[in-house]
Amino acid sequence: AQSVTQLGSHVSVSEGALVLLRCNYSSSVPPYLFWYVQYPNQGLQLLLKYTTGATLVKGINGFEAEFKKSETSFHLTKPSAHMSDAAEYFCALYGNNRLAFGKGNQVVVIP
Amino acid sequence: KAGVTQTPRYLIKTRGQQVTLSCSPISGHRSVSWYQQTPGQGLQFLFEYFSETQRNKGNFPGRFSGRQFSNSRSEMNVSTLELGDSALYLCASSLTPPGQGFTGELFFGEGSRLTVL
Repeated sequence: AQSVTQLGSHVSVSEGALVLLRCNYSSSVPPYLFWYVQYPNQGLQLLLKYTTGATLVKGINGFEAEFKKSETSFHLTKPSAHMSDAAEYFCALYGNNRLAFGKGNQVVVIP
Repeated sequence: KAGVTQTPRYLIKTRGQQVTLSCSPISGHRSVSWYQQTPGQGLQFLFEYFSETQRNKGNFPGRFSGRQFSNSRSEMNVSTLELGDSALYLCASSLTPPGQGFTGELFFGEGSRLTVL
């Protein structure tokens, strides 16, 4: 079965500090992996995706993620947090003709 | 290019009633998926339609149903509402459907927030 695990529902980070959100997956086939962001009262917006090729992928708003097959991970990072990064972030895996989402990380940015 | 439009944005119903939610996909997108989002369960897949056919269905009871029209607009219906149906219902569209070169990128609407009293 395809699944995604995100630990720590709430993540607090100081403005200017590193943002690190962890995502581990389970998949019986080569995975397609995604990070989506959801701002308050809005739908989800794609941040970045990995399908094939380069394992370090860059997304919007300065975010990037690295696919590590040996660790079955796809962690999201941003070198310097901004107040506008406060949102909920979801890791997702495409399999069985659907997206399976993790539980999400609510990111709070502390001034 | 207009995004995915969902109506209504907010609604309140009572137990036992039924509700219909509407979704208009991005122009040219023929695949529409529905997800339920709750604090406890997160995002759960409901169903996916392409060319007026339901191609994929999640693990929800038969009270949850949907359909897609020839213009790709989609509706979902929940009958005999229960308190646990309170959630944000998200619609997403994509250019290609799952299984036909689709790589997982979905475009989401802002959702319909349903409260069941």
